[in-house]
Amino acid sequence: SQQGEEDPQALSIQEGENATMNCSYKTSINNLQWYRQNSGRGLVHLILIRSNEREKHSGRLRVTLDTSKKSSSLLITASRAADTASYFCASLYNNNDMRFGAGTRLTVKP
Amino acid sequence: NAGVMQNPRHLVRRRGQEARLRCSPMKGHSHVYWYRQLPEEGLKFMVYLQKENIIDESGMPKERFSAEFPKEGPSILRIQQVVRGDSAAYFCASSPGLSAYEQYFGPGTRLTVT
Repeated sequence: SQQGEEDPQALSIQEGENATMNCSYKTSINNLQWYRQNSGRGLVHLILIRSNEREKHSGRLRVTLDTSKKSSSLLITASRAADTASYFCASLYNNNDMRFGAGTRLTVKP
Repeated sequence: NAGVMQNPRHLVRRRGQEARLRCSPMKGHSHVYWYRQLPEEGLKFMVYLQKENIIDESGMPKERFSAEFPKEGPSILRIQQVVRGDSAAYFCASSPGLSAYEQYFGPGTRLTVT
């Protein structure tokens, strides 16, 4: 079963707009990772943020981590139609268990 | 409804032995994905299977690795003649169908090659 919550469950925006997705987790983590999944394909790793990091950037992606609130956000700037996919967060807990959220379905309209 | 089951949870093999990892998908799911996670890295996609079919094996190493998902029984990821570099966590996920966005993950199998 999945642990962790992503919100929103579904997000629809216009090309060029920014998309923000959030993820929460339960207890202390080692790191948190974001993945993308296109329909019918496997997950693709996007970015990993460690528990002692607060923010990380990769191209148009920006991830933040707030350990006091046990939450993370993924921001995609200047979105493109090709960004349409599901986005998952995965928390690696200190006991080496990895838990995935249910995902946010992002639709970017051209 | 039980989640995705993987066994064993921990597996220790000596170099040159074979490792068999099993994944039972959620009830009603006919699609299985296998991923490998090396320490301090993200998941890397290996293979995507439907019952009795391999849909996408673009992430599978060319040698020693194979996967199957028979009509009956769990999906098996088989690693022959294991080497130390095969030590990793192997996760499987299942989904209801080809176009489904949801993937439900198992707890993983931690393979240690000594």
